[in-house]
Amino acid sequence: GAVVSQHPSRVICKSGTSVKIECRSLDFQATTMFWYRQFPKQSLMLMATSNEGSKATYEQGVEKDKFLINHASLTLSTLTVTSAHPEDSSFYICSARRTPFQETQYFGPGTRLLVL
Amino acid sequence: QKEVEQDPGPLSVPEGAIVSLNCTYSNSAFQYFMWYRQYSRKGPELLMYTYSSGNKEDGRFTAQVDKSSKYISLFIRDSQPSDSATYLCAMSANSGAGSYQLTFGKGTKLSVIP
Repeated sequence: GAVVSQHPSRVICKSGTSVKIECRSLDFQATTMFWYRQFPKQSLMLMATSNEGSKATYEQGVEKDKFLINHASLTLSTLTVTSAHPEDSSFYICSARRTPFQETQYFGPGTRLLVL
Repeated sequence: QKEVEQDPGPLSVPEGAIVSLNCTYSNSAFQYFMWYRQYSRKGPELLMYTYSSGNKEDGRFTAQVDKSSKYISLFIRDSQPSDSATYLCAMSANSGAGSYQLTFGKGTKLSVIP
């Protein structure tokens, strides 16, 4: 159990375009999902916490207007990178928790974004 | 001082060796401790989860937590080439809002040589 999927797994786009990444919990309901970014040889950096039906909470330094998060259902959260630039190229990973009181997180396989 | 310190390695061991991976932390509020394994270009996979101090064993993996020393360890017995990956420690505390955000170590890259 506790399977989390992400789509797409890899995306290449031109500078200035927007890219949407989907995160789905396949076999459980996730009231909370998290979005992370990971640069090469670095650890995961939390970008935002997404609660179903409410606005996401962004970490300091993460632009909420650039990284739009929508958590419209208990199994789906989306991250949209708006007007992407080469510096946004990174590995984006989502994770999900089963309930508000579950301490562990289950991660998706990640999405590699390359902005040309 | 960073909240979680983890030696990034790389660590190379021969097949069959016992591997010891460690993290130290400074936040005494951390109560939940996890080890994740991350293969190259993949998302982290939860290996072990421990609450508070003590040991937990699962197959070839043993996790230890010493809250008095703010020190956690992951031991891998009879290491295999398939264990070659980056191992991330992670920990969390009840923030009061129930968010349990994870704080990660940088990860230790392990290579098990056949």
